[in-house]
Amino acid sequence: GESVGLHLPTLSVQEGDNSIINCAYSNSASDYFIWYKQESGKGPQFIIDIRSNMDKRQGQRVTVLLNKTVKHLSLQIAATQPGDSAVYFCAERGDDYKLSFGAGTTVTVRA
Amino acid sequence: DTGVSQNPRHKITKRGQNVTFRCDPISEHNRLYWYRQTLGQGPEFLTYFQNEAQLEKSRLLSDRFSAERPKGSFSTLEIQRTEQGDSAMYLCASSAGQSYGYTFGSGTRLTVV
Repeated sequence: GESVGLHLPTLSVQEGDNSIINCAYSNSASDYFIWYKQESGKGPQFIIDIRSNMDKRQGQRVTVLLNKTVKHLSLQIAATQPGDSAVYFCAERGDDYKLSFGAGTTVTVRA
Repeated sequence: DTGVSQNPRHKITKRGQNVTFRCDPISEHNRLYWYRQTLGQGPEFLTYFQNEAQLEKSRLLSDRFSAERPKGSFSTLEIQRTEQGDSAMYLCASSAGQSYGYTFGSGTRLTVV
C-alpha cells in the first residue's frame, strides 16, 4: 500500500541553526498531514499540522510546507535548540481517516 | 484531564503469558486508536474505536489480540499467549472526531522474554 516516508533517517544540526526535515508521501488522496516529535520513552507529540488546501503553515519556531505537485512535506525548525533533539515523524491521513506514519528522522543538536 | 493516559508504562512478561494494557483517552474524544511501534520505526495502526464500536482492525492484529472499549471511555488491549515478536511499544491515541489530529499517550512498553 501507499505510505509516508522520510528522506533521511538522521540529521545533525548546530545549535542555533535552522533545521529542515523532509518527507515524501505517495497517497494523493491524503487530505491532512501532521508532524510529530517523539522523545525517548515518550509517545509522539503533536507539533504542527496542515491541510491539503494549504501550502504553508507557521507555528512557534516551526513551519510546515506542503508541495502537492511533488507530494513533498517539510518541517522547518528555526534556531534549533538542544530540546529539539528527538525523532520526527510525518503522518498523513487518507480518506479512511487513519494516520499513516513514516519511519522518522532522528535530529541531534550539537552544542 | 491532562491527556491520554496509558498503564502500565512498562511490562515484562514470559512468553506464553497473557497481558492487558489500559488506555484512558481525553474525556471528550470519541475516537480511540491503538498503534504499535517497534524500535526505529514509526507507529503502525492496529485498531480504532468510535465510541464503543470497534470500526477497523489491521491485519497486524492477529487472533491473539483483542481490544475493547465497553462504555466508550477507556479501552483495553489484551494479548494472549505472548510471543517474543510482540515486544514493542503499544501506543494509544484519541481524537475528537474525523477532523482532528490525534493526541498520543506515553505508551506501554512490552518486553516478552
